[in-house]
Amino acid sequence: GDSVTQMEGPVTLSEEAFLTINCTYTATGYPSLFWYVQYPGEGLQLLLKATKADDKGSNKGFEATYRKETTSFHLEKGSVQVSDSAVYFCALRPKTSYDKVIFGPGTSLSVIP
Amino acid sequence: AAGVIQSPRHLIKEKRETATLKCYPIPRHDTVYWYQQGPGQDPQFLISFYEKMQSDKGSIPDRFSAQQFSDYHSELNMSSLELGDSALYFCASSLRGQGYEQYFGPGTRLTVT
Repeated sequence: GDSVTQMEGPVTLSEEAFLTINCTYTATGYPSLFWYVQYPGEGLQLLLKATKADDKGSNKGFEATYRKETTSFHLEKGSVQVSDSAVYFCALRPKTSYDKVIFGPGTSLSVIP
Repeated sequence: AAGVIQSPRHLIKEKRETATLKCYPIPRHDTVYWYQQGPGQDPQFLISFYEKMQSDKGSIPDRFSAQQFSDYHSELNMSSLELGDSALYFCASSLRGQGYEQYFGPGTRLTVT
């Protein structure tokens, strides 16, 4: 079945460091891909999305490119801030479903001053 | 901007009791989704409703039921609660045909003792 794999955390970075969180997926056809962020004690927020191959999603300095060849959607940010500390979930919505979103296990990020 | 509202935010129940969680979608959103997030786990899709009809179904136990009402709010009813039902329950909403982006509420934390 469809699934999402993420790099394991926790990830600890110093402020202004470069961030990469790897995400790969398994799915039939070409799903829509998402990154969600969950700040402590809060719900999930959509960070960015891409709906077709080679699309680049971007928001708040974060970027991810839909790579069909490698079935990947890695999240990057050039310079992280303490306020970026959160859990990041890579997710997909299968082509065959309007509704179900399948999440990866999440990667916890801590940014220290 | 208005967000998804969930109530209650916290709920403590005993084994074999019943719980009802409520979700109020973003105004004009017509689709509601329910997810369950166990401790340290990724959110799992339970069920969704579009225009008051069940739209998709995931790994929802038979002890759980849900519905969407004429004002588009939704309720998740959980009976014969088990310890393993302790989790964070998220509701999300979206507007069909607008990218199907799901906007999540803050969640209801259910603890079964």
